[in-house]
Amino acid sequence: GENVEQHPSTLSVQEGDSAVIKCTYSDSASNYFPWYKQELGKGPQLIIDIRSNVGEKKDQRIAVTLNKTAKHFSLHITETQPEDSAVYFCAASSNSGNTPLVFGKGTRLSVIA
Amino acid sequence: GAVVSQHPSRVICKSGTSVKIECRSLDFQATTMFWYRQFPKQSLMLMATSNEGSKATYEQGVEKDKFLINHASLTLSTLTVTSAHPEDSSFYICSASLVAAGADTQYFGPGTRLTVL
Repeated sequence: GENVEQHPSTLSVQEGDSAVIKCTYSDSASNYFPWYKQELGKGPQLIIDIRSNVGEKKDQRIAVTLNKTAKHFSLHITETQPEDSAVYFCAASSNSGNTPLVFGKGTRLSVIA
Repeated sequence: GAVVSQHPSRVICKSGTSVKIECRSLDFQATTMFWYRQFPKQSLMLMATSNEGSKATYEQGVEKDKFLINHASLTLSTLTVTSAHPEDSSFYICSASLVAAGADTQYFGPGTRLTVL
């Protein structure tokens, strides 16, 4: 089955700097890669996703890149703000309708003002 | 974006009682919903896949007689924790799958904090 590795587990950056979180996956059949942001005591919120037919996707300060050959994908947050502080999870699935997501272990991002 | 609600958001119960958690997709129909539990500072652990009108598919190690799942309509799935014990205390989160343009996206509910005394 699919296995998703996520690094780093914790990340501290100064406000205004960029943050990068990386994930690798094992199943070449996976074709859908979402990223979720989870604040304390809340459910995960979808912030961006990418499907295997594209290599990069951007939404304002957030971007995701995908390298299918190497089986890794990354989240990039530019101009970080204190409100970006949260736990971020990457996930992967074959996106076949009722296929569950396989999550990474999460990255706790702290943006220091 | 699509909205998924959960009720209750927080519940405290005595050991041995049963607790029902509702998951609703508010502005879309979801053939498939998923139930997760999350322990402090850990990732989400999939418990079961809930399909409308059929039996849920449970992950290995999850007791189907203890965690009863019902997906009676395209907008509602329920998880009942039967005979709850302190070790069942956890954060339970559901997600609903929105299918559009041939692809599906999972949206999560806000979670339910269960504390069993």
